[in-house]
Amino acid sequence: EAQVTQNPRYLITVTGKKLTVTCSQNMNHEYMSWYRQDPGLGLRQIYYSMNVEVTDKGDVPEGYKVSRKEKRNFPLILESPSPNQTSLYFCTSSWTSGSPYNEQFFGPGTRLTVL
Amino acid sequence: AQSVAQPEDQVNVAEGNPLTVKCTYSVSGNPYLFWYVQYPNRGLQFLLKYITGDNLVKGSYGFEAEFNKSQTSFHLKKPSALVSDSALYFCAVNYGNMLTFGGGTRLMVKP
Repeated sequence: EAQVTQNPRYLITVTGKKLTVTCSQNMNHEYMSWYRQDPGLGLRQIYYSMNVEVTDKGDVPEGYKVSRKEKRNFPLILESPSPNQTSLYFCTSSWTSGSPYNEQFFGPGTRLTVL
Repeated sequence: AQSVAQPEDQVNVAEGNPLTVKCTYSVSGNPYLFWYVQYPNRGLQFLLKYITGDNLVKGSYGFEAEFNKSQTSFHLKKPSALVSDSALYFCAVNYGNMLTFGGGTRLMVKP
């Protein structure tokens, strides 16, 4: 089944404790990205990747890191999480040659709480 | 920079009635526009898109959207609403390598 998977689905952590949210897709997509969803703010893009070893900042990259060492994986790293990073996070992928004007496939989401 | 506005936080409609969820956009150049739907505890799902061509775009589950360049709008419509259409709907615009979403509109369809 074609899908985007994220792990963990739920995470409660404390301020300052480094964490990684994994994202993997099995559709051989070149484009991947991360969004956070907050009530009243909709979805805001954190980082995106056009291809392996190519990443770029979205609208709200502060406090996040990403890497794209393999085509299928795009982990989101929070080096020192803070309470304002409590949110619902979505990973996406797209099968285009790099432009996202084809539809995005969304993962199921990761609900992160930082205490 | 591009932006998307969904002026209604919630739209209420009775089952069987037509529905409209509004979206306006701001972008330099030609817009690429999308609608996505989010059901509870799920990721977003693609409904339809406008790239070029016919201003009326048909998508999944009987939804359609009308692109209006002069009004910079891309409203989502359905002739006859179902209770199962109740969900959160997002309009989005692509520009360059980024996709920008509106704030979302909650659609409530009552029996």
